[in-house]
Formats: sequence, C-alpha cells, structure tokens
Amino acid sequence: EDKVVQSPLSLVVHEGDTVTLNCSYEVTNFRSLLWYKQEKKAPTFLFMLTSSGIEKKSGRLSSILDKKELFSILNITATQTGDSAIYLCAVSTGTASKLTFGTGTRLQVTL
Amino acid sequence: EAGVAQSPRYKIIEKRQSVAFWCNPISGHATLYWYQQILGQGPKLLIQFQNNGVVDDSQLPKDRFSAERLKGVDSTLKIQPAKLEDSAVYLCASSSGIVAGTDTQYFGPGTRLTVL
Repeated sequence: EDKVVQSPLSLVVHEGDTVTLNCSYEVTNFRSLLWYKQEKKAPTFLFMLTSSGIEKKSGRLSSILDKKELFSILNITATQTGDSAIYLCAVSTGTASKLTFGTGTRLQVTL
Repeated sequence: EAGVAQSPRYKIIEKRQSVAFWCNPISGHATLYWYQQILGQGPKLLIQFQNNGVVDDSQLPKDRFSAERLKGVDSTLKIQPAKLEDSAVYLCASSSGIVAGTDTQYFGPGTRLTVL
C-alpha cells in the first residue's frame, strides 16, 4: 500500500521565522511529488517535483526532492501570518496520476 | 480561466438519508477526481474518471456510494444511505489528462457534509 508521511503534524512559529516541512514516501511506480496549501477551502497547488536535487522556488517558498532517500522538504522563509494553513504533500503514481496524500502539516504563524 | 466548481458548499442530513454532490471541472479537463477528506486527514481518492469512463474506483464504498460522469464533463457523487462516518469534506479535482503520470490536479472548494 502506498504511504506518505508528513512531519511535524503541527507547528507554531513567529512571523519572520523560517520553517521546514518534511514529507517521506513509500510508493510503487513513483511519478511525481506535489505540495498543496490548504486554508479553509480547496487545496491550492504549490509545486510539482519530478527530479532529484532540482529546487523549485516561488517567492518565499521552495521545495526539493530526494528520490534516493524518498523524501521532500518544503521551506518557507520570512513567514507571514498569511502562510498559516495546512500544507499537504501528495505523491503521484502510475500513468493515471493517482495521488496519495499525507495527513498534512498544520502551520500557524503568530505575530 | 474558471476553476473547478462544486455545489452545494454545505449539507447537513440525518443518517440513512441520501445526498448528492455536483462538480463541474475546468473547461477542457479530461480527468475528474472525487476525494473524501475526513477532519485531520489528507484527501483520499474515491473515484477517478477519464472522460466518461472510470479509471479507478477501488476505494469507493460501492454499497452506498455511486458516481457518474455521463457526458464526460460534469459529475455527480451520491451517497445512499448516509452513515455518521461519511461526515467529511468531499473534494472534486480535475486535470488535463494529457501528461501521463505528471498531471497537476486542481481542486474545487469542496462540499462539507455533516451526517447527524
């Protein structure tokens, strides 16, 4: 059975801090790893990673994949209160792009 | 570009009643997914359609859940009869279906179902 594990489960930081969220996986027929941000509504797409060692960056967010050690990290620098959300990691397998999600990391950024 | 549309946004029903959710994917997207997200968990795939055909429904509780996408565009997910453990957010997602294995899924706002 495909498995995706995220850590920590929750995190409280002060505005301006840097955070690192972790995602490890054990799946069959890996195709890609995706990060989503979920506030009160739909998960919104952040990154898709397919190759090891190539960092994807968008503003203060960045992510990298290690296909040998089967994990990914999501970094957020200079956090803001608007970054407060649940961050979901998902792994896509097979040609049908089936997604298996982790339970998410709940990030709270305080003033 | 309009996103994935879902309705209703909220639904409260009694156990053993039936309920239906509707989803309209992003225009031109061939693949449509229904997920169930229980509080504190990540979304779990219930069913995946490619156009109007089912690709994967291995985690759909078929004794009570059904879904259709008759014209290959919008889709309906039904629960009959509902149980207390069906309380969850039901998310619909769509993707282009063009790039096998690395297709980005875009999610709708979800329907929050409460079963009393």
